This record gives sequence, structure tokens and C-alpha cells, in this order.
Amino acid sequence: DAKTTQPNSMESNEEEPVHLPCNHSTISGTDYIHWYRQLPSQGPEYVIHGLTSNVNNRMASLAIAEDRKSSTLILHRATLRDAAVYYCILRAMDSSYKLIFGSGTRLLVRP
Amino acid sequence: EAQVTQNPRYLITVTGKKLTVTCSQNMNHEYMSWYRQDPGLGLRQIYYSMNVEVTDKGDVPEGYKVSRKEKRNFPLILESPSPNQTSLYFCASSRPEGRPTLSTDTQYFGPGTRLTVL
Repeated sequence: DAKTTQPNSMESNEEEPVHLPCNHSTISGTDYIHWYRQLPSQGPEYVIHGLTSNVNNRMASLAIAEDRKSSTLILHRATLRDAAVYYCILRAMDSSYKLIFGSGTRLLVRP
Repeated sequence: EAQVTQNPRYLITVTGKKLTVTCSQNMNHEYMSWYRQDPGLGLRQIYYSMNVEVTDKGDVPEGYKVSRKEKRNFPLILESPSPNQTSLYFCASSRPEGRPTLSTDTQYFGPGTRLTVL
């Protein structure tokens, strides 16, 4: 499976946008980019996924670079509840259903 | 409400005393799995099940057993727990029946079971 690289931690102020980067330079053409997050004392939860085009949902936006070697998860207005560890995960069409979690980015949101 | 439930949420036990952690989902998902989370090691898959009566080992299956007799339930069994199985355990499910597209599959996780083996 292709590897992802994320910063260990990031900080943001409440109600400001947050851009969480992920590098995946060895991504293959059919790999989907998924983001999950894990709030304190909870299980991971799905955030968003995409293949080539930018994606929006009620939780976040996903911006994918044109060469697909990187992507950015965008939280448009961070809240205290968004403080979590964010995982960028690649999923291949022929891989298993297992999610391969890296170390993720710990997001701290300041009030 | 769509959810994955786990019980118990917290458990302290002693070495060698058999225990079972239950997992149940109400989304008619075919795929279920167990992960453990340890500091510095992240989340690692223990066992998974593609459907009823179909189970297979994940990355760290030693010391664990599972069964899948019903679609909604996937219990994790520790026949003889040891201190190195002290961990945070998560059950997950995905793949609604008839929607087998893997690359867009999204998984639902339970709230976790914190297990301490003394």
C-alpha cells in the first residue's frame, strides 16, 4: 500500500479555517484518498474521501492536488470539538478492507 | 441510529481469566473487524470477517479468537489474557450488502473497550 506523510501536530484558533496536509507521492492512479479522525476517547470516524476532484461534505472539504501526490483536508471553521487526530489513508481498489492508520496529525484548537 | 456498539467499555481482569468483548452493528454490514490501539503503535487489525462464518487473521491475531455466527455480531474472545493484551480495542464494520466497492468503502467504529490485564 502507498504511504502517506502527515505533520505530527498542528494548532488552530477556534472559528478559523484549518488546512491539514497529507503527502502521498507514491499514490497509484486508482487509489482513493480517505480521511478519518479520532476524537479523544472515541473510535475513529469517517470524514471524507475523494479520487481526483475536490470534494465537499457537511464536515469538511478535500482538496486534491492535480498530480494527486498531495491532498489537504480543510475545516472551514474549526471548533473545539474538531480537536482530534486526523488520519489520511489511501485505499486501493484491490486492497483489503483493512484501514492502515499512520500516526496522523493531532489538531489542537485554541479557544 | 446507525451504530456499532461494544461491551464492556472498560474491563480490568487478571491473567488467564477468559473474557469476551462483544461487538454489534445495526447497519446490515457484511464486513466487521477488530483493531487494537497502543501508544506509539497506532491502530492494528486483529481479526476480520467478510461475512457470516467467514473470518480471517489480521496483523496481530495471536492470543485472540473471533466468531461470526450472525451478521450483526462479532465478538472478540481472549481465552487466556496476558498483560501484553492490555490495550484499547475497537470494533468496526462496513460494506452494506450489495455495495462491494472497496475503494469508496467507509467504516464505522465502535466507541472502544479499554482492557487492562493484571
